[in-house]
Amino acid sequence: EDKVVQSPLSLVVHEGDTVTLNCSYEVTNFRSLLWYKQEKKAPTFLFMLTSSGIEKKSGRLSSILDKKELFSILNITATQTGDSAIYLCAVEGNKLVFGAGTILRVKS
Amino acid sequence: ETGVTQSPTHLIKTRGQQVTLRCSSQSGHNTVSWYQQALGQGPQFIFQYYREEENGRGNFPPRFSGLQFPNYSSELNVNALELDDSALYLCASSLALGQGGEQYFGPGTRLTVT
Repeated sequence: EDKVVQSPLSLVVHEGDTVTLNCSYEVTNFRSLLWYKQEKKAPTFLFMLTSSGIEKKSGRLSSILDKKELFSILNITATQTGDSAIYLCAVEGNKLVFGAGTILRVKS
Repeated sequence: ETGVTQSPTHLIKTRGQQVTLRCSSQSGHNTVSWYQQALGQGPQFIFQYYREEENGRGNFPPRFSGLQFPNYSSELNVNALELDDSALYLCASSLALGQGGEQYFGPGTRLTVT
């Protein structure tokens, strides 16, 4: 059965810290891995990764995929209180499977 | 905002009742997916519609059904509601057939079954 596991489940950091969120997966017929940020209700799209080793970057956020080891990381540098949210990883195989998410809280 | 809208925002139903949730996709998007997100969990894929046809289904019983209309808006119907159906129901629209690509989520409908 397809599976996506995110870690840690939650973490609390101070403004300015750098955080790394992890996503490992087991999925049949891998097509892509996606990261979303969920603040109140609607998850908002961050990145889609399809190729190993190519870093995607958007401002203070970056992500990379390792298709050999079956994981991805999402980095956030110089965290701000506005980064507080649930970060969801999803993997598209025969269907789209989400992890349970990582709850990030950034304290001022 | 993504341009995807859902109605209603909140809903309270009694066990055994039926419910219809609605979703209007982003302009130009022909694919709509529905997800159930229970508290503390990630969204679980229910099904996807592409050009009015079901295109993939997750592990949900047949009492979860859907429709997509010619304007690509969509409905999720749930019959014989159970307490465990209480969740946030999200729809997402995309241009890509399949389930990934850049999906744009609506704000969700919070369903409470008592």
